[in-house]
Amino acid sequence: AQSVAQPEDQVNVAEGNPLTVKCTYSVSGNPYLFWYVQYPNRGLQFLLKYITGDNLVKGSYGFEAEFNKSQTSFHLKKPSALVSDSALYFCAVRGSSASKIIFGSGTRLSIRP
Amino acid sequence: NAGVTQTPKFQVLKTGQSMTLQCAQDMNHEYMSWYRQDPGMGLRLIHYSVGAGITDQGEVPNGYNVSRSTTEDFPLRLLSAAPSQTSVYFCASSAGGVETQYFGPGTRLLVL
Repeated sequence: AQSVAQPEDQVNVAEGNPLTVKCTYSVSGNPYLFWYVQYPNRGLQFLLKYITGDNLVKGSYGFEAEFNKSQTSFHLKKPSALVSDSALYFCAVRGSSASKIIFGSGTRLSIRP
Repeated sequence: NAGVTQTPKFQVLKTGQSMTLQCAQDMNHEYMSWYRQDPGMGLRLIHYSVGAGITDQGEVPNGYNVSRSTTEDFPLRLLSAAPSQTSVYFCASSAGGVETQYFGPGTRLLVL
């Protein structure tokens, strides 16, 4: 069975500081990993994905994520947070032996000025 | 190119009523999914389809039916609404299972 965990309901960071939003997963086969963001009163938008290749994936708005196979993690990172990064972030996974994409419970990121 | 559209935007139902949430996409995507979003529960997969005529269950399929007679449309049917189905429903589509999913604006459903 597939599963994805986002252990932090909320992450608070000061503007200009680095941020990390954690994600761990469990799948059969190779993992395909995704990050999506939901801004207030808006739909979900794609940020980045890992399918294969380089473990460090770069995405939209200066975000990046590092795939760590041994720790089954795919943490989202940004070197310098902006107030406008405040939103709800979702990690998602699909295993290579399955067809469905499962989302985590979400992490609310709050950036204080 | 409208992307993924969902109707209605908001609906109030009484317990036991049935209804269909509509989802359409104009990107010729094979892969379509329905999710529900509840506070603290994230997005949970209800049903998905990998192509016309093919559907499968997700994490929380009970109380919902789907069909995929065309590539463009993927309606979600609530057979007998229950208060536990109060939620925000999102439809998504992608060109394939490892491609970017494009989400609709959502349907907010309240079951009394």
